[in-house]
Amino acid sequence: QKEVEQNSGPLSVPEGAIASLNCTYSDRGSQSFFWYRQYSGKSPELIMSIYSNGDKEDGRFTAQLNKASQYVSLLIRDSQPSDSATYLCAVNGAGRRALTFGSGTRLQVQP
Amino acid sequence: EPEVTQTPSHQVTQMGQEVILRCVPISNHLYFYWYRQILGQKVEFLVSFYNNEISEKSEIFDDQFSVERPDGSNFTLKIRSTKLEDSAMYFCASREAGGLTGELFFGEGSRLTVL
Repeated sequence: QKEVEQNSGPLSVPEGAIASLNCTYSDRGSQSFFWYRQYSGKSPELIMSIYSNGDKEDGRFTAQLNKASQYVSLLIRDSQPSDSATYLCAVNGAGRRALTFGSGTRLQVQP
Repeated sequence: EPEVTQTPSHQVTQMGQEVILRCVPISNHLYFYWYRQILGQKVEFLVSFYNNEISEKSEIFDDQFSVERPDGSNFTLKIRSTKLEDSAMYFCASREAGGLTGELFFGEGSRLTVL
């Protein structure tokens, strides 16, 4: 079964620290990888996408992909209380248009 | 800013009743999706729709479910005979024709409660 695994958390970090969120996936043919943020009671919102091995930076966010290890991560620098949310890792399997989501990691940024 | 809109925001229904959830995707988007999220659980794919037909569906999307694009703007999800386990938040999402497959724009969701 194709799965996307995340630690459910909560991951608690102090304001200003780096938050590190991790995700593993089982479908070795997966092509595209995404991080969505979901505030409580709200819908998912895309924050990062990554398609090739290495790092991709966008503002305070850095996505990292290692296809050999089937591992994706998201780093949030200078974490703010407004970053407190659940972060969903999502993956496109080979030949599929649909995303498979992980169960999410809840991040709490303490002021 | 363009957005995906969904109605109703919350619907309560009796088991066995039919429910229609409505979505207006972003106007220049051509790919449409329904996902659901049972409270406290992961976001699950139901169905994708392109060019007036289903392009992919999950094992959740059984004969009780159907989708339709009745006009140029609406995209609907029908559940024919609701079950208790259909209680969930249902999210509509869309993406543009040239957009990458995972860069979806989600609506705010329709919460379905089946009693």
